[in-house]
Amino acid sequence: NAGVTQTPKFQVLKTGQSMTLQCAQDMNHEYMSWYRQDPGMGLRLIHYSVGAGITDQGEVPNGYNVSRSTTEDFPLRLLSAAPSQTSVYFCASSYAAGWETEAFFGQGTRLTVV
Amino acid sequence: SQKIEQNSEALNIQEGKTATLTCNYTNYSPAYLQWYRQDPGRGPVFLLLIRENEKEKRKERLKVTFDTTLKQSLFHITASQPADSATYLCALPNSGGYQKVTFGTGTKLQVIP
Repeated sequence: NAGVTQTPKFQVLKTGQSMTLQCAQDMNHEYMSWYRQDPGMGLRLIHYSVGAGITDQGEVPNGYNVSRSTTEDFPLRLLSAAPSQTSVYFCASSYAAGWETEAFFGQGTRLTVV
Repeated sequence: SQKIEQNSEALNIQEGKTATLTCNYTNYSPAYLQWYRQDPGRGPVFLLLIRENEKEKRKERLKVTFDTTLKQSLFHITASQPADSATYLCALPNSGGYQKVTFGTGTKLQVIP
């Protein structure tokens, strides 16, 4: 099984550009989420989804959009990149919405906004 | 939301000794708590989940305790090995539905041969 696959692994953007971070899982998990990880800040929840067609905001949603048209895919869109969005982004999935089961993370996307 | 404190200073320990990492939380007491391992440049990997009615849980050389009175979880690695060197994160669900999970900043463990 591939698990959770994120693309790209690295990306450099100019301020104001837009892009989509891709996340796909092949485990038929209902729950998917996006985190960003910054030094000294830990993982912070951006958006999450409890199933296809259902998304909600996390702790730091501003500047990001998500959609969940299928169970497998949960893309994260940066509408107009800012240097403050320089970070490592992780997508995660789990079987249950309550995370009382094992959560699987992707390998991360390292984004630099210049 | 939940506030989690993990020792931000790195923990250096001699190979073969027991490493003990601490996770303290404030606000409400969650029904469960999780521990993850993260290696440099990789995503976190799930290790253990412990529920509030479980005082202790073990998996091979790993042991987790959960004290809801102290609002603290301890994570132990016995007979530590250099391969155990990594950052260890604890995670707890927020109140009101458990759909949002808060992670600690993690403690970096270095096992010295």
